[in-house]
Amino acid sequence: EPEVTQTPSHQVTQMGQEVILRCVPISNHLYFYWYRQILGQKVEFLVSFYNNEISEKSEIFDDQFSVERPDGSNFTLKIRSTKLEDSAMYFCASNPDRVIYEQYFGPGTRLTVT
Amino acid sequence: AQKVTQAQTEISVVEKEDVTLDCVYETRDTTYYLFWYKQPPSGELVFLIRRNSFDEQNEISGRYSWNFQKSTSSFNFTITASQVVDSAVYFCALSEAQGSGNTPLVFGKGTRLSVIA
Repeated sequence: EPEVTQTPSHQVTQMGQEVILRCVPISNHLYFYWYRQILGQKVEFLVSFYNNEISEKSEIFDDQFSVERPDGSNFTLKIRSTKLEDSAMYFCASNPDRVIYEQYFGPGTRLTVT
Repeated sequence: AQKVTQAQTEISVVEKEDVTLDCVYETRDTTYYLFWYKQPPSGELVFLIRRNSFDEQNEISGRYSWNFQKSTSSFNFTITASQVVDSAVYFCALSEAQGSGNTPLVFGKGTRLSVIA
């Protein structure tokens, strides 16, 4: 069964460093999302992406964040200058159509900023 | 604005007991979708069910059942004869329908279920 994959599973970085989190959505899906979950808290929406552009973003998704689909398979989330409060689990999700379908989530990348 | 409330932060039950996880939602839309996801200790999010606002039929899948009541804006989840493997955090989520598609998922804070052998 096709699945969303994410790499790395765990990333440790120092405050102020740039990180890139990678996702490979399911191949025939068109809509892509990033969510984050601070430890012990709820899952929060960051950004959605369709047709090579951001379709929606939350207040969390400020200028430090960017997303890209550099080729036909990868979908990346970049944090330009990490802060301690960026430490969280980051989930990528995709679905074939924005209407009706459930979002398929990847296993997550745990980001630890020290 | 959308909001999902899961008032139960943690629940502990003994194996084989039935347990119900509550979910109350707020939305201004008449068309929306409700979801339940399971997050086991390994951390991934596992999709359990999707319900649209026009379908108030209860659903049963094995030991799992869902009770959707629009009158009380609730979408509760019951596990019958709980097992240790059911131990996880369970999230309820909502997505509103817009002209161009659904809004992103809005999650509740989750309920941590511990099933004790």
